[in-house]
Amino acid sequence: AQKITQTQPGMFVQEKEAVTLDCTYDTSDPSYGLFWYKQPSSGEMIFLIYQGSYDQQNATEGRYSLNFQKARKSANLVISASQLGDSAMYFCAMREGPTNAGKSTFGDGTTLTVKP
Amino acid sequence: SQTIHQWPATLVQPVGSPLSLECTVEGTSNPNLYWYRQAAGRGLQLLFYSVGIGQISSEVPQNLSASRPQDRQFILSSKKLLLSDSGFYLCACISAYNEQFFGPGTRLTVL
Repeated sequence: AQKITQTQPGMFVQEKEAVTLDCTYDTSDPSYGLFWYKQPSSGEMIFLIYQGSYDQQNATEGRYSLNFQKARKSANLVISASQLGDSAMYFCAMREGPTNAGKSTFGDGTTLTVKP
Repeated sequence: SQTIHQWPATLVQPVGSPLSLECTVEGTSNPNLYWYRQAAGRGLQLLFYSVGIGQISSEVPQNLSASRPQDRQFILSSKKLLLSDSGFYLCACISAYNEQFFGPGTRLTVL
């Protein structure tokens, strides 16, 4: 079974509007971390935001926020006030348990296009 | 903070030729290191990880191998490349703050 599911292969958003990128995950480990990365056309992977499974509050980093719904096993990324430079591929990833040697599982990504 | 160097940035190799991709890390000691491969338009697939010198774990059976000769050096190799080895190869490590840092990647095309 796929551990990370990103159901939106592509998304469009108007500049200055907010957009939500979906991510659901599957794990039986009570301790895990959820991550979002941005990959522009250059190929580099840029870390955006992190949510721990025991964190009580949703993570926020500037214009990025993570809508963490533990019971639904979802970790959607919300980008507010979209900018043209936000156009990129976005990946959701999960890292399970302290004994996992830090291995991460990635979803297939969502391509976001911001329209002027 | 950590910096990861990878080279070369791009590589075009014929089928059956050998491969050696190098990754070095600065700004940390005894890091966990990872090799990922990304097929076009897809997510990252973990190939190998290493928790220390000489310690390599393979995640998927394949035509590739990895080695860690020094604390901050991680090498991905193949004796004979296959067409299916084409992809974007990323080296990564994890910081003390649980962030995963990636190198700039190597784009490999096998013809």
